[in-house]
Amino acid sequence: KNEVEQSPQNLTAQEGEFITINCSYSVGISALHWLQQHPGGGIVSLFMLSSGKKKHGRLIATINIQEKHSSLHITASHPRDSAVYICAVTSGGSQGNLIFGKGTKLSVKP
Amino acid sequence: EPEVTQTPSHQVTQMGQEVILRCVPISNHLYFYWYRQILGQKVEFLVSFYNNEISEKSEIFDDQFSVERPDGSNFTLKIRSTKLEDSAMYFCASSPGLAGGPGELFFGEGSRLTVL
Repeated sequence: KNEVEQSPQNLTAQEGEFITINCSYSVGISALHWLQQHPGGGIVSLFMLSSGKKKHGRLIATINIQEKHSSLHITASHPRDSAVYICAVTSGGSQGNLIFGKGTKLSVKP
Repeated sequence: EPEVTQTPSHQVTQMGQEVILRCVPISNHLYFYWYRQILGQKVEFLVSFYNNEISEKSEIFDDQFSVERPDGSNFTLKIRSTKLEDSAMYFCASSPGLAGGPGELFFGEGSRLTVL
């Protein structure tokens, strides 16, 4: 069983749509990361959170520690948002030993 | 904006050869990491480095792997005798180190290693 599960695996949206990507985890964590992997392979950190909600531009990340669940929302999606979005968790006491999900491949059509 | 840089971007090597992948973390960061991603698979943790020593490593990081911070700027990953299954994208990352822990990770663009 994967310790970090993401859904959906693939997502196609029309420009302007509101998008939600979900992440569930089964281990105790100290932090949860949302990452964006570009088609060229590079990885960018979007959020690191351990409780509540964070917002950056059109992106919002929420986490529910009791339910071991996090969501990444993209408002007013744009073709440039097309990428793989990866959820990763740091288990308690770890320093950078991230457990990664398989990623959600998002394609936003104009 | 400060960034993590990695070289080479792509390296092709013969099985059994030694490979060194280089990374320049963000200058005031205190934690350094290597991850790898085999084509089509998820990213995997290899090793974390803090205070000039390995702080954590995964089962993947066996005796064939080593890391070094030879000077104040570079952070290297050495694979002693490459195997076909070492073919992957290798990502370096660094984080600043905050009161509550390592902090947010900043990734390099990756080094693609192809072992023939």
